[in-house]
Amino acid sequence: SQKIEQNSEALNIQEGKTATLTCNYTNYSPAYLQWYRQDPGRGPVFLLLIRENEKEKRKERLKVTFDTTLKQSLFHITASQPADSATYLCALELTGGGNKLTFGTGTQLKVEL
Amino acid sequence: EAGVTQFPSHSVIEKGQTVTLRCDPISGHDNLYWYRRVMGKEIKFLLHFVKESKQDESGMPNNRFLAERTGGTYSTLKVQPAELEDSGVYFCASSPSRGRRETQYFGPGTRLLVL
Repeated sequence: SQKIEQNSEALNIQEGKTATLTCNYTNYSPAYLQWYRQDPGRGPVFLLLIRENEKEKRKERLKVTFDTTLKQSLFHITASQPADSATYLCALELTGGGNKLTFGTGTQLKVEL
Repeated sequence: EAGVTQFPSHSVIEKGQTVTLRCDPISGHDNLYWYRRVMGKEIKFLLHFVKESKQDESGMPNNRFLAERTGGTYSTLKVQPAELEDSGVYFCASSPSRGRRETQYFGPGTRLLVL
């Protein structure tokens, strides 16, 4: 069966540390993989996109890696801050699937002082 | 620039009633998507409009759900009659069509509770 798995447990880290979130997928062929941030009571906000032929993408304190052999993406937030506390969602845009997004369940990140 | 707006923000109805959700995309965005998140589950795709045409409605759960986008501007999603399992958060997203793929911008969602 097809599924996208993210860290099911909440992730608590100390301010200043690097947060690493995992997204694993099975039986999908994504053309793109995206990461979104969602705060309580709000809709997802786009953060980063990585293509199937890319290994790594960076944006300020954010870094995404994509390994299509392992079927895994890692999302890193360096020098984390309490304001980074949110739920992070991984989403696949499938080859031949149009623009619709297939989401994982998300990982809740809490950055503590 | 105003973002994607959705109305109402919350709706509580009884089983068997009808509810209509509205989404106003970002001005000029041809693509409009509906998604929903039911309790404890991931956000799932419902359908995709390009202007006023339904491009993909493969995620619509059954014929109790009717989506429209007359004139290619705002969209409505009607649930009739509502069932308990329809409870969840309904998100709308939009993106422009510029000949290349674009990020989807999400609205805040409508929280629907069917009692």
